[in-house]
Parts: sequence; C-alpha cells; structure tokens
Amino acid sequence: DAEITQSPRHKITETGRQVTLACHQTWNHNNMFWYRQDLGHGLRLIHYSYGVQDTNKGEVSDGYSVSRSNTEDLPLTLESAASSQTSVYFCASSDGTSGSLRETQYFGPGTRLLVL
Amino acid sequence: AQKITQTQPGMFVQEKEAVTLDCTYDTSDQSYGLFWYKQPSSGEMIFLIYQGSYDEQNATEGRYSLNFQKARKSANLVISASQLGDSAMYFCAMREGDNNNDMRFGAGTRLTVKP
Repeated sequence: DAEITQSPRHKITETGRQVTLACHQTWNHNNMFWYRQDLGHGLRLIHYSYGVQDTNKGEVSDGYSVSRSNTEDLPLTLESAASSQTSVYFCASSDGTSGSLRETQYFGPGTRLLVL
Repeated sequence: AQKITQTQPGMFVQEKEAVTLDCTYDTSDQSYGLFWYKQPSSGEMIFLIYQGSYDEQNATEGRYSLNFQKARKSANLVISASQLGDSAMYFCAMREGDNNNDMRFGAGTRLTVKP
C-alpha cells in the first residue's frame, strides 16, 4: 500500500546544530508539504513543493530549508536549531494533478523534535 | 489575520450523543474548500470530510456531517452518536481558490467523549 513515512519519529538536539528530518512518500504525488504543530496554533505551513526542483516558502519558513531532488522525498533541514523550533513536524502530500480544491492532503505520522 | 477560527479549545460529550464543533473562516474568494481532520492521541492526521464553497448540499460522511452556512462563513462539524474512539483533536482547514495548494488550519478543538 502507498504511504508516507517520516524519520526519525523522535529527535533531541542541541541549539546551533543542523538537523534534517526525512519525508518519503510512495503515492507518486507531485505536491509535498511540511507543517509544524504547536499548541494554540494548529498546523502552520513551513515549505512546500509542487514537483522535482520546485520549492516554495510557507507561512513560517525562517530557519528552515527544503530540497526536492526526486518525487518521493522532501527532507526538511533546520540550518541552526533553535529552542523555538521545538515542535511536532508533519509532512504531507497530495496528488497535484487535478487542480481541484477537493484534493486531500495525506499526512505522515509526525516527528517530535526537542531542541535543548 | 486568522483565516480559520475554532473557538472551542475543549468539548465534552456523552457517549451516543451528538456534538457540534465550531469553525468560522475568513476569505474574500468565491471558490474555496473546507476540510475537517481528526488527530487521535497517536498523532496522525486523518481526513474526515470536505465541503466546497459551491456545493449546494451539506457534506456527509457516515456519522460526520458538515453544517455549512456560507453567509455566516461557518463550517461546523457535527458528529452523531458519539463513540469513545471519537475522543481526539479536531482541526478545521481551508484551501482558497487562488492558492489551491496552501491549506490554513485552525487551532483545533479537543473532544472528549465520556462513557
């Protein structure tokens, strides 16, 4: 069955370190997204991609970067981790071919990141 | 400005009763879509139901229905015959017509079903 996976599921790091969170989907979806979830804010969009070599900034992109070298993967990098980036990170994907508003995003299981 | 507002941080409902979770939205687009997701304690996000701005009928999916009041810009989720497994966080989200890959989420409502 097609799926979307994230790794690691839990990560503890120190401030100033570079951290990369992996996202892999086997849906063959064009669109991929990274969100962070914080109490009281719901999910906020960090970066997204409409296809290979395409990346775009979302609502809260400062301090994060992504690259899309193939259809299946969109790794999220925290260049220099800060305590404010302690959060739960969700990756999502959607088909991206229909252009329909109805198009559903499918979410990965999430990664809990703690920056000390 | 907040695009999606969920005013109920927490709700309680007795098992087998119906419950309504509120969601209001803000958009100037005529074409938009509204979504509800469920997040159980295990953390995954599960898509529940969708309502398009041009849909004439309120969406229904099993025990879930969406009370869509376009003039009031509200899209409340109604869960009928609540079950213990319905205890979870519920998020309302919107996708607008001119940026139709960008979804905005509300802060969520934590529903607890009491036996």
